[in-house]
Amino acid sequence: KAGVTQTPRYLIKTRGQQVTLSCSPISGHRSVSWYQQTPGQGLQFLFEYFSETQRNKGNFPGRFSGRQFSNSRSEMNVSTLELGDSALYLCASRVRGQTQYFGPGTRLLVL
Amino acid sequence: DAKTTQPPSMDCAEGRAANLPCNHSTISGNEYVYWYRQIHSQGPQYIIHGLKNNETNEMASLIITEDRKSSTLILPHATLRDTAVYYCIVRVDGNDMRFGAGTRLTVKP
Repeated sequence: KAGVTQTPRYLIKTRGQQVTLSCSPISGHRSVSWYQQTPGQGLQFLFEYFSETQRNKGNFPGRFSGRQFSNSRSEMNVSTLELGDSALYLCASRVRGQTQYFGPGTRLLVL
Repeated sequence: DAKTTQPPSMDCAEGRAANLPCNHSTISGNEYVYWYRQIHSQGPQYIIHGLKNNETNEMASLIITEDRKSSTLILPHATLRDTAVYYCIVRVDGNDMRFGAGTRLTVKP
C-alpha cells in the first residue's frame, strides 16, 4: 500500500503571498491531519479533517485553513505569508481512531 | 491528553540495546502510549503503541510499568540508522498527536 504523499516537497514564497499544499492519504484512510514543525516550536497540530469536515483545530490564526475532498485528499492553505511561517508542514492519515501515519512533509521557505 | 517527560538526549553504542524512558504520571485509563521517531526532518515514523501490556514488533519493544506512569522503548540492537528524535505521546484513541520535544538518540560506532 502506498504511503502518505505530499506535494510539493519544497516551496519558496515571499511575504504576503499565499500557498496551497496537498496531501494524499493512504488508501482507505479518511482522516487527515496537518502539523507544522519549526525549530523553535517543534511539531504543532494544525487541524484534522474527516469526511470533508474539520473535526479538530489547533491554536493557529485564521490565515491557516484547509479542506478535504470526497476522495479524502486534503489541501491546506496559508494566506498572507509571514517569515515565521517557514516550516516543515506534515500531513498524517489514519483510519479514524487508529494509528496515524505521516507523509514526508513539504518544506516551505518564506523570504 | 496526559503530558509526557523525556530526557532531551541519549547516546547508545552501535549493536547495544537502546532504552528510552518516558514519564507519563498523569496518564488516565483510556490513554494509549505511542512512540514515533523522526529521522533528520523526515516525517515522523510510527514505531509501536500500547495500553497496559508490553508490546513487541519488528522494530522495538514497549515496556509499560504496572501503574502505567512510565514506559520504556527498547531498540534491541541499535544501528547508526536508529539515530533520530524519539517521541513518546500519550493520547486517547481518536485524539490527535500532541508532540513534545522528544529524546534525541545518537547511536555511536
